[in-house]
Amino acid sequence: QSVLTQPPSASGTPGQRVTISCSGSSSNIGSNYVYWYQQLPGTAPKLLIYRNNQRPSGVPDRFSGSKSGTSASLAISGLRSEDEADYYCAAWDDSLKVVFGGGTKLTVL
Amino acid sequence: QLQLQESGPGLVKPSETLSLTCTVSGGSISSSSYYWGWIRQPPGKGLEWIGSIYYSGSTYYNPSLKSRVTISVDTSKNQFSLKLSSVTAADTAVYYCARLVTRAGADYWGQGTLVTVSS
Repeated sequence: QSVLTQPPSASGTPGQRVTISCSGSSSNIGSNYVYWYQQLPGTAPKLLIYRNNQRPSGVPDRFSGSKSGTSASLAISGLRSEDEADYYCAAWDDSLKVVFGGGTKLTVL
Repeated sequence: QLQLQESGPGLVKPSETLSLTCTVSGGSISSSSYYWGWIRQPPGKGLEWIGSIYYSGSTYYNPSLKSRVTISVDTSKNQFSLKLSSVTAADTAVYYCARLVTRAGADYWGQGTLVTVSS
């Protein structure tokens, strides 16, 4: 049972825009930054979004993050086949721990 | 370019201690403002944060593992280490080491190492 709640799966067709939600509480998302990770099959996770909506160098602007209250979202526009991966949200929790979402498997149809 | 590499036994017996080391190259582990952490992923499952150590030496551990976890840093070798005691089959996972620019933001990851707990 993950502290942050994500839908287990999402899907879209090439070129489409998809969003993945992440729900938490006042002790994590509500009071701290949200991070998003992309994990391609068989590889280590990669930081996609930091501090709610910032993209590390090299991450395409097709990826965007937002946060409102105790929820956050990752949006992917212009969906591509190479975006097929698992996506995780994460945040610091005020109980002094990092919490992750259970992950969302994105399928590009 | 910063690189992290995990090393350690791939097989650990139940009740024993899992020990892993992360070697950092391309940068100093003593650099200020970074955390160095361990995250694991059981086969087919999601990510679980184990703990982190700040450059100053302060440590933060997952409460669910705290009684069994020790993370330490060896600045002379540019390495940090994980020890997880009294392991069971539930500790079987791919273990990743990572640099965190903030408490939850890991920008560099090792490739991961699979540790199986079995007799």
